[in-house]
Amino acid sequence: DGGITQSPKYLFRKEGQNVTLSCEQNLNHDAMYWYRQDPGQGLRLIYYSQIVNDFQKGDIAEGYSVSREKKESFPLTVTSAQKNPTAFYLCASSIELGGKGRYGYTFGSGTRLTVV
Amino acid sequence: RKEVEQDPGPFNVPEGATVAFNCTYSNSASQSFFWYRQDCRKEPKLLMSVYSSGNEDGRFTAQLNRASQYISLLIRDSKLSDSATYLCVVNIRTSYDKVIFGPGTSLSVIP
Repeated sequence: DGGITQSPKYLFRKEGQNVTLSCEQNLNHDAMYWYRQDPGQGLRLIYYSQIVNDFQKGDIAEGYSVSREKKESFPLTVTSAQKNPTAFYLCASSIELGGKGRYGYTFGSGTRLTVV
Repeated sequence: RKEVEQDPGPFNVPEGATVAFNCTYSNSASQSFFWYRQDCRKEPKLLMSVYSSGNEDGRFTAQLNRASQYISLLIRDSKLSDSATYLCVVNIRTSYDKVIFGPGTSLSVIP
């Protein structure tokens, strides 16, 4: 079955360390996204990529980096520069469903990152 | 003003009740609208798209009012399994597919 796979599900990191979250999709979607969700809050966009080898900053990109070397993969690195990295991270992908701007939007199951 | 705003909630309703959620958006260039459901500590999942003519899927009805920039979701005959957070999602097609999530409205259906 097609879908988005995020790994690991739970991740613990020491302060000052970089860590990379994996996101893989086999939906043949062109666009991929990383969101962060804090308790009781909505999703905030970190980075997005419309095509391979291209990505753009979202609303809260500071302290994060991404790459898009393959269509299927969009890993997110949380660097030591991110001041408050403990959060729930969600990867998503999308494709246009029709010609009128309706995009199918699928999420991975998320990675819960805790800094200890 | 936030780009997408929702009823603050939480909504605590008895089984069988009808409950309505409201959502407003500020960008008139918004093109597509969706309701997502998010269970506790899980990823959001698409509940339904929202079309200009309004649409219904079983017990769920979604309405869009472009003039007022307002979206609604109506749930009839609430079930315990409907308990979740409901996210209003707006797609603005600019140079990229900008998707904006509302903060969500929490629903608890009580026996």
